[in-house]
Amino acid sequence: AQSVTQLGSHVSVSEGALVLLRCNYSSSVPPYLFWYVQYPNQGLQLLLKYTTGATLVKGINGFEAEFKKSETSFHLTKPSAHMSDAAEYFCAVSDRIQGAQKLVFGQGTRLTINP
Amino acid sequence: GAVVSQHPSRVICKSGTSVKIECRSLDFQATTMFWYRQFPKQSLMLMATSNEGSKATYEQGVEKDKFLINHASLTLSTLTVTSAHPEDSSFYICSARVPLAQQGSPLHFGNGTRLTVT
Repeated sequence: AQSVTQLGSHVSVSEGALVLLRCNYSSSVPPYLFWYVQYPNQGLQLLLKYTTGATLVKGINGFEAEFKKSETSFHLTKPSAHMSDAAEYFCAVSDRIQGAQKLVFGQGTRLTINP
Repeated sequence: GAVVSQHPSRVICKSGTSVKIECRSLDFQATTMFWYRQFPKQSLMLMATSNEGSKATYEQGVEKDKFLINHASLTLSTLTVTSAHPEDSSFYICSARVPLAQQGSPLHFGNGTRLTVT
């Protein structure tokens, strides 16, 4: 069974600082990988995804993530945090073999930006 | 494109009553929709997969008689919480994927419904 672990339920950085949100997955085969962002009382918005090809994936709002098979990781980064980045971030995986139907989510990381 | 609309965004009901939540795909036809539940400060847990024209597939531990799902058209799925109790208070989110999309295509999410049962 697939699983996703996000290290750190809460991350706090200063405005302009590097953002690093960690995600590790467990899967028998490399899955499809996603990062979603959720603002209060809203649904989820896709930031980026990895399916195949280049392991460094660029997404919206200046975020990027790198798929590292050897480390079973898909950490999310942004070089310079902005106040508007404060939100909940979810890493998710879906089974490549089963046609990528269901998503399994990590526990989420709440990102706080300090002025 | 690929907009999913969920209604209502917030509902308060009394214990014992039923509440219906609608999920619509606005610019595409969704043969499959997914219903998630999110408790405060927790992750999303898949409740069920809604299939157009057939019965929903429920995840283990989800009571199908309590959480009724109807997917009567290609653009609408409904979740009815029957005989709601305070422990059913939660944030419910639906999602859908554009059909015939490539493998690994993302899910598109509604904005969620905050249910409070008093």
